Amino acid sequence: QVKLVESGGGLVRPGGSLRLSCAASGFTFSDYYMDWIRQAPGKGLEWVSYVTGDGGTRNYADSVKGRFTISRDNANNSLYLQMDSLRGEDTAVYYCARDLGQGQLDIWGQGTMVTVSS
Amino acid sequence: EIVLTQSPATLSLSPGERATLSCRASQAFSSSYLAWYQQKPGQAPRLLIFGASRRASGIPDRFSGSGSGADFTLTISRLEPEDSAVYYCQQYGSSPGVTFGPGTRVDIK
Repeated sequence: QVKLVESGGGLVRPGGSLRLSCAASGFTFSDYYMDWIRQAPGKGLEWVSYVTGDGGTRNYADSVKGRFTISRDNANNSLYLQMDSLRGEDTAVYYCARDLGQGQLDIWGQGTMVTVSS
Repeated sequence: EIVLTQSPATLSLSPGERATLSCRASQAFSSSYLAWYQQKPGQAPRLLIFGASRRASGIPDRFSGSGSGADFTLTISRLEPEDSAVYYCQQYGSSPGVTFGPGTRVDIK
């Protein structure tokens, strides 16, 4: 069964850091691009970042560039998002999603909530 | 960057009726790169349509997509109570990454 499970969310102060994880199972993880998407409370979907299957190419939304870092560990079927210099506007549910190669996101995790507040 | 707008913002219909959701882009792009997602309250989004008209695995045939250029449509031919959700269109295949429309909420009376 194809599955993605996020973890690592929580409450953090502005300026702080958090590392999100996404555990993948049921498919050959290294064959797929992976993305992070977020959704602020009551708002729509915002793409955050993607990484290619071999980890060699990464891309970021302008809103997080220079503050967030996406990475993956194919040996352990895991995706990560290191979030530094967090701001209130980063408060959202963060989803990891399997990417079919050009941005079609066919499998999503259940999401993990990140709250940035003092 | 391509900006997507969706209309209407909210659609309220009865079971069995037909729903027509619109997605318009700020500039034309290949229909190969348009997808639709369904999101129910408290759940993650689910891929419904990709390539503008191709149904994802397990999606009922009452969901269909069409369109090209800058205008795209998601049609739900016979609404079921479980179709109550927010529907997002998405453009992909361009740098730096994907963009989503603001969503259309479908309420089933």
